[in-house]
Amino acid sequence: SQTIHQWPATLVQPVGSPLSLECTVEGTSNPNLYWYRQAAGRGLQLLFYSVGIGQISSEVPQNLSASRPQDRQFILSSKKLLLSDSGFYLCAWSVPGSDTGELFFGEGSRLTVL
Amino acid sequence: GQNIDQPTEMTATEGAIVQINCTYQTSGFNGLFWYQQHAGEAPTFLSYNVLDGLEEKGRFSSFLSRSKGYSYLLLKELQMKDSASYLCAYMDSNYQLIWGAGTKLIIKP
Repeated sequence: SQTIHQWPATLVQPVGSPLSLECTVEGTSNPNLYWYRQAAGRGLQLLFYSVGIGQISSEVPQNLSASRPQDRQFILSSKKLLLSDSGFYLCAWSVPGSDTGELFFGEGSRLTVL
Repeated sequence: GQNIDQPTEMTATEGAIVQINCTYQTSGFNGLFWYQQHAGEAPTFLSYNVLDGLEEKGRFSSFLSRSKGYSYLLLKELQMKDSASYLCAYMDSNYQLIWGAGTKLIIKP
C-alpha cells in the first residue's frame, strides 16, 4: 500500500532562519507531488507541484522554493523565513492521470516563525 | 479570482442529520471534492462528484448541481467523531484543486 510521510511535525524557527521540510512517498512510482499551506480561516493554498524529478511548478511567488531530487521525495525550503511563513504545511500526492484526482496528504508540519 | 464559499461553522446534535453547503463559480470544472479534516491533522478524502446527482457512501452523501454551481455534503446519524472541518474543493480547467476555507462542524451530545 502507498504511504506518505512528512517531517518535522512541528517546527519553531526565528525570522531569517532557513527552512527545510521533507516529504517522501512509498509504494507508488512517479506520483504527482504537492506542497500546500493552510492558514487559519483560509482554504488550502497550493505552493508547488511536481509531475516528475526536477520538474517544479510554482503557484505563488514568495520566498519559498521546492525541489524533487528523487522520484518520491519532495522538499520545501526557504533561505530566510518571514513571520508570514507561519502556518500548517501539507505535502500530498496523487496518481497521474487519475479519473478523480484524489489527493493523499501527509501528516502536516506546523511551522511557527517568531 | 477563485470563488468558492462554504459556511464557517455549523453546530448539530449527535444522532441528527446535517447538510453542509458549498457554492462555487468557475468557467472550467472537472469535479467537486469533499475532504474531512480533524483538528491538527491532514485532510482525508470523503467524496468526488463530477456528474449531477447524489453519491451515497454510508452515512455520508454528496450532491452536485453543475448548472447551479452548488454542492452539499449530507451527514446522517451524526457521531461525536464527526466533529471536524469539512473542506469543499473544485477542480478547475487546469486540473488544479481550488479549496474553500472549510466548515467547522461541532457535534453536541
